[in-house]
Amino acid sequence: GQQVMQIPQYQHVQEGEDFTTYCNSSTTLSNIQWYKQRPGGHPVFLIQLVKSGEVKKQKRLTFQFGEAKKNSSLHITATQTTDVGTYFCVRNSGAGSYQLTFGKGTKLSVIP
Amino acid sequence: NAGVMQNPRHLVRRRGQEARLRCSPMKGHSHVYWYRQLPEEGLKFMVYLQKENIIDESGMPKERFSAEFPKEGPSILRIQQVVRGDSAAYFCASSPRASLDTGDTQYFGPGTRLTVL
Repeated sequence: GQQVMQIPQYQHVQEGEDFTTYCNSSTTLSNIQWYKQRPGGHPVFLIQLVKSGEVKKQKRLTFQFGEAKKNSSLHITATQTTDVGTYFCVRNSGAGSYQLTFGKGTKLSVIP
Repeated sequence: NAGVMQNPRHLVRRRGQEARLRCSPMKGHSHVYWYRQLPEEGLKFMVYLQKENIIDESGMPKERFSAEFPKEGPSILRIQQVVRGDSAAYFCASSPRASLDTGDTQYFGPGTRLTVL
């Protein structure tokens, strides 16, 4: 399936600092999903973005979907130690759109 | 309402042995997906099953790997004659419907960490 590229691969921040991860696709996406995986854990669904230019907020997390539906971002304001984990952007692929294609993820470390 | 269940959580096998990984989907979900995750990587799709049917196994290695989802009981991912390269985390996910364009998402189980010695 077609990949989604994520940057950065790793990010270390001081607690209280902001954090942003970016996701890019070479092709137009029907939607983009974001998952979080804690160390040793499993992926947990955060959100799905569908509309061009869409912005959604969940407390300190802000998700954006680009106007061209080829990129997305996740921004965390004032990080906390509970934000530690790997954040994946995920696209649907395959004939029936049921295959989830994960980016490599951005691994966030928060220094207390 | 129990989530997706997988067992065992950790499995150690020697080269050449068989590994059987089990997955029970969430209640009311009849669509099961298996993914593999290598260290420091994202998850890679392996196979999609509905009850008694394999819908898409395009992500499965051609040899040694098989999957089933019988009418009764959990879905099974079977790896025969394991090799060191099979060491990974194997995640099962389930959904109530197949298409994700409607907004349905896939709910992941805790995974089975397979180590091949």
